[in-house]
Amino acid sequence: KAGVTQTPRYLIKTRGQQVTLSCSPISGHRSVSWYQQTPGQGLQFLFEYFSETQRNKGNFPGRFSGRQFSNSRSEMNVSTLELGDSALYLCASSSGDRTHTDTQYFGPGTRLTVL
Amino acid sequence: GNSVTQMEGPVTLSEEAFLTINCTYTATGYPSLFWYVQYPGEGLQLLLKATKADDKGSNKGFEATYRKETTSFHLEKGSVQVSDSAVYFCALPLEGRRALTFGSGTRLQVQP
Repeated sequence: KAGVTQTPRYLIKTRGQQVTLSCSPISGHRSVSWYQQTPGQGLQFLFEYFSETQRNKGNFPGRFSGRQFSNSRSEMNVSTLELGDSALYLCASSSGDRTHTDTQYFGPGTRLTVL
Repeated sequence: GNSVTQMEGPVTLSEEAFLTINCTYTATGYPSLFWYVQYPGEGLQLLLKATKADDKGSNKGFEATYRKETTSFHLEKGSVQVSDSAVYFCALPLEGRRALTFGSGTRLQVQP
């Protein structure tokens, strides 16, 4: 099976712009989660989608949003970019069958740089 | 809520040395526990997992045992290689969720 894919791999934007990142989960996986990784804050959960519905959300401002399509592919959007949004954004997919034993598989990430 | 504490790095070892990276957790119930590895410029790869107390996860020579009594999930490898140089993350699900909370990561450097 193909793994989780994320596009683009690298992105450079300027403050105030908006950006959309894309994630294609492993075939058959219905749950997609997004994480932000920075040197200062480490790995932080952004949100999770399951069956096109946002199920959980981390502690991020409303500028961060996402959606999931009927084929389980997901996008996340960041509006009004700030310098602090520079990070590696990771997408993870899981089967969605169970909560406590479900295993997340990660994509290679999108490296966003905000200038 | 669920959380994990991981030993600080970096850890520098010579090739063929024994590796231990400590991880302790706080959790409601008995969630699955995970170790992920991140190589430079890449995303996270699942290294191993354990789904219940006393389970031992293993992969590529790495092992970790789910210890309920000590709330620990320490990562071990008997003989490290230069290719094991990476950042290792201990993780468990946020309470009632699939999403994970991670430790701060431990950078391992293996010297030839």
